[in-house]
Amino acid sequence: KNQVEQSPQSLIILEGKNCTLQCNYTVSPFSNLRWYKQDTGRGPVSLTIMTFSENTKSNGRYTATLDADTKQSSLHITASQLSDSASYICVVTSIYGQNFVFGPGTRLSVLP
Amino acid sequence: GAVVSQHPSRVICKSGTSVKIECRSLDFQATTMFWYRQFPKQSLMLMATSNEGSKATYEQGVEKDKFLINHASLTLSTLTVTSAHPEDSSFYICSARDWTGEVGNTEAFFGQGTRLTVV
Repeated sequence: KNQVEQSPQSLIILEGKNCTLQCNYTVSPFSNLRWYKQDTGRGPVSLTIMTFSENTKSNGRYTATLDADTKQSSLHITASQLSDSASYICVVTSIYGQNFVFGPGTRLSVLP
Repeated sequence: GAVVSQHPSRVICKSGTSVKIECRSLDFQATTMFWYRQFPKQSLMLMATSNEGSKATYEQGVEKDKFLINHASLTLSTLTVTSAHPEDSSFYICSARDWTGEVGNTEAFFGQGTRLTVV
């Protein structure tokens, strides 16, 4: 069964600190992995998209890594800001289909 | 970048009435759009896949007669919640994909979401 798991479920950090969110998946055959940021009451916004051959990709203070062998990904946030408070969702796509398999998300709270 | 516009962002309706939610791709053509439902603190759940010019494909457990989907053009899909009840209160999100030409590698854009409250 295609599944995406994320950890931790929630995380609280102080402004300016770094943090790393984890994503494990069993989706096969793998096509790509995406990280989305979803503010409360809003639709998800794409942060990164990574294919099989990519093992790291950055978007500003966000850096995603991918290990296709162990089927793990991480999202590292550097120098967190209050506006980083949101849910971060890992989404994996199979090469055979259009359907996205969504992880449950990690709820990040950045405190002043 | 491509934008998907969803309207309305919030709607409150009386039980038994119908509500229509619109999803538009603003600067690209989307032959396929997706409708999701999200309960508080949960991830997005795919409800149906909307195909331009043909019938939508519904996920198991989603009532097609209750959630009517119309995809009449390449830039517009609508979701109508018919005879709404309080248990239909939820956050509904649409998504449209901008095909890159590579298998599986479509860029996916999400609408802003619609908060439906049925009273």
